[in-house]
Amino acid sequence: GEDVEQSLFLSVREGDSSVINCTYTDSSSTYLYWYKQEPGAGLQLLTYIFSNMDMKQDQRLTVLLNKKDKHLSLRIADTQTGDSAIYFCAPRGGYQKVTFGTGTKLQVIP
Amino acid sequence: DVKVTQSSRYLVKRTGEKVFLECVQDMDHENMFWYRQDPGLGLRLIYFSYDVKMKEKGDIPEGYSVSREKKERFSLILESASTNQTSMYLCASSLGGGGGEQYFGPGTRLTVT
Repeated sequence: GEDVEQSLFLSVREGDSSVINCTYTDSSSTYLYWYKQEPGAGLQLLTYIFSNMDMKQDQRLTVLLNKKDKHLSLRIADTQTGDSAIYFCAPRGGYQKVTFGTGTKLQVIP
Repeated sequence: DVKVTQSSRYLVKRTGEKVFLECVQDMDHENMFWYRQDPGLGLRLIYFSYDVKMKEKGDIPEGYSVSREKKERFSLILESASTNQTSMYLCASSLGGGGGEQYFGPGTRLTVT
């Protein structure tokens, strides 16, 4: 099956940019999703990118995709305390199956 | 707004008990999923269903079974709970097509003592 790896923890200061990285193994991934999980809640879709794109920008969020290296990143500009959460990378690969990464816990220091 | 509800937020059960976790979605979604979430392991798929009375094993089905008698309801059953099934259980649903954007419930924190 697909392996999706993320670093477990990231700490940034309020107002700085955050970059969360993800590597995956299934080269047939078509959609690549980012989900956010706030404390005590389920996951919510944050943004996604199609596999034929290199970059997608959505307000403070920028998603970069390097298909050759199977690397996905999520950049959050002007990080706020409300961005503190766990972020999951989730490629949609063969047989339309979505595989979730290990999750990166983002801590924003005021 | 899509709503996915789970029957309990917190549950404490004893080893060997039969445990039922219920999930209901209100958006007529074809697909429903059960995951467990453990620190450092992310979300792991237990079972999923693409239609009523249909079920498919995910990556870690051992020790679990599921039931989908109605489109809106997907139940996860632990036939004989064990301490290694202590975890957060998340239910999700999505439109037909096998994956795509999934809508999650708030989760059930199950402790087996």
